Amino acid sequence: DTEVTQTPKHLVMGMTNKKSLKCEQHMGHRAMYWYKQKAKKPPELMFVYSYEKLSINESVPSRFSPECPNSSLLNLHLHALQPEDSALYLCASSQNVQARSQETQYFGPGTRLLVL
Amino acid sequence: TQLLEQSPQFLSIQEGENLTVYCNSSSVFSSLQWYRQEPGEGPVLLVTVVTGGEVKKLKRLTFQFGDARKDSSLHITAAQTGDTGLYLCAGAKNNDMRFGAGTRLTVKP
Repeated sequence: DTEVTQTPKHLVMGMTNKKSLKCEQHMGHRAMYWYKQKAKKPPELMFVYSYEKLSINESVPSRFSPECPNSSLLNLHLHALQPEDSALYLCASSQNVQARSQETQYFGPGTRLLVL
Repeated sequence: TQLLEQSPQFLSIQEGENLTVYCNSSSVFSSLQWYRQEPGEGPVLLVTVVTGGEVKKLKRLTFQFGDARKDSSLHITAAQTGDTGLYLCAGAKNNDMRFGAGTRLTVKP
């Protein structure tokens, strides 16, 4: 099973709202990722969690706040977003970097976010 | 500047033709992945290559990793309309993975 699930599938929010995106995997993976993808562009890395600790933050604005409650769950808390933050938000997981073959990332279906 | 350069950016061919997509970088990666993505969906893994010079076959798709682990190619034989989609290469190193800009393939009947 290589399934990563994401909820919700679609989200519409105003600029003053607070919302959260959720990601879950049960593959025993110890690294989890958030990506942002704009239309007709490749995914851009936002955050990396390794063994439930934040290991990479790609200078993402503080209105995006990641959280990793346990090894299976990854959240992205959203507050005071801007219309330009509208995008497809993708979650991924990998076994972790102990061997090169374990770096492979498996992606969820994404959450399509629209900020009005 | 894109860390991984993919070419061509767009490719439109007739069903039954062969094609090759290239993924090049000046960086060395510990592994390289190829994904296919449909609109509004997450990327779906096609293959991971790890060893320099490695060749992997997946039905009509052949993937090659360069000897120096800086570049890769995807060759599709006898393309079908179902192969239409966005093909992304992604190089990984130390939990950090960077994508190429993608090749948008259209296979016409």
